[in-house]
Amino acid sequence: DTEVTQTPKHLVMGMTNKKSLKCEQHMGHRAMYWYKQKAKKPPELMFVYSYEKLSINESVPSRFSPECPNSSLLNLHLHALQPEDSALYLCASSQDAPAGGQETQYFGPGTRLLVL
Amino acid sequence: GDSVTQMEGPVTLSEEAFLTINCTYTATGYPSLFWYVQYPGEGLQLLLKATKADDKGSNKGFEATYRKETTSFHLEKGSVQVSDSAVYFCALHDYGQNFVFGPGTRLSVLP
Repeated sequence: DTEVTQTPKHLVMGMTNKKSLKCEQHMGHRAMYWYKQKAKKPPELMFVYSYEKLSINESVPSRFSPECPNSSLLNLHLHALQPEDSALYLCASSQDAPAGGQETQYFGPGTRLLVL
Repeated sequence: GDSVTQMEGPVTLSEEAFLTINCTYTATGYPSLFWYVQYPGEGLQLLLKATKADDKGSNKGFEATYRKETTSFHLEKGSVQVSDSAVYFCALHDYGQNFVFGPGTRLSVLP
């Protein structure tokens, strides 16, 4: 089973709202990722967690706050977002940390976020 | 740093036509290579991969061969279907690097 699940599938929020995106995998993977994807573009890396610790933050604004409660779960907390943050947010996982090379990423279906 | 180049399209084909989507890469090390497919409104799905030179990845009638001498990983399918309409991303993963994605190629298959 190579399934990564994400909830919710769609989310509409105002600029003053606080919301959270959730991601779950049960493949025993030790690395999990958040990506942002704008229309007609490839995914852009936001954060990487390896062994439940934040290992990479690609200079993401603080209005995005990741959390890894355990090895199977990854959250992305959203607060005071801007309309330009509207995008598809993708979660992915891999067996081990990306620094070692030779990893394969498995993606979830994404959360389509609209900020009004 | 590492990079991936692919034709951006859109590529428009008739059903049962032969498909080639070119992908070339630059890498400092010896990366693994991937093709991902993204159907409308969905996430990325791993289509196939290859981890060393001359490896051929294959899945659902799609094939790609890891060519180290030409730093290429072209995607091919002998007979496309309308259901293959999607965006295809070539990607690589190298030691000590994050995953690198190409810009994506949009494929439209007409009945």
